[in-house]
Amino acid sequence: KQEVTQIPAALSVPEGENLVLNCSFTDSAIYNLQWFRQDPGKGLTSLLLIQSSQREQTSGRLNASLDKSSGRSTLYIAASQPGDSATYLCASQMDSSYKLIFGSGTRLLVRP
Amino acid sequence: EPEVTQTPSHQVTQMGQEVILRCVPISNHLYFYWYRQILGQKVEFLVSFYNNEISEKSEIFDDQFSVERPDGSNFTLKIRSTKLEDSAMYFCASSTMAYEQYFGPGTRLTVT
Repeated sequence: KQEVTQIPAALSVPEGENLVLNCSFTDSAIYNLQWFRQDPGKGLTSLLLIQSSQREQTSGRLNASLDKSSGRSTLYIAASQPGDSATYLCASQMDSSYKLIFGSGTRLLVRP
Repeated sequence: EPEVTQTPSHQVTQMGQEVILRCVPISNHLYFYWYRQILGQKVEFLVSFYNNEISEKSEIFDDQFSVERPDGSNFTLKIRSTKLEDSAMYFCASSTMAYEQYFGPGTRLTVT
């Protein structure tokens, strides 16, 4: 059974810092991995999707990488801004399934 | 930009009552999903729907739950007899294939 873990649970950084959020999964037979942003009391905004055949995806200041063999994905945020403050979730989709399996998220605070 | 919409944003109901949560997926999407997030917990998969039938469901999705696509635009989740533990944020999502999933803003269900 796939388990998705995110470390750290919370992170506080000063504005301008580059940071890395970590996501690990126990079963490497994933179809893709998706990163989301969730603001308090709000829905999930898709940030990046990495297919199993890809190593990384980039969108603006965000870069996500995927290493299936080690069961890890990272989300790199460059030059963080207070507006980046939110909870970041990763979710894996398995080869044989439609569902996303979510981690518990990393709550990010970027201090001005 | 097309988006998934959900109504109502907040629903309060008494235990034992039936509720219907409504979603309008992105128009050219073919796969539809419901997830829920109990306060402070992970986002959990409930059900996926494709070609007018359930393609996958979780253990949570028991006989109290049902889904329907009553017309070409709406996708609904019905809970027949709500329990206190059904209180959660319910998210609808859609995708073109079994691929990047786009989430709606959610319906907060409160069962009293």
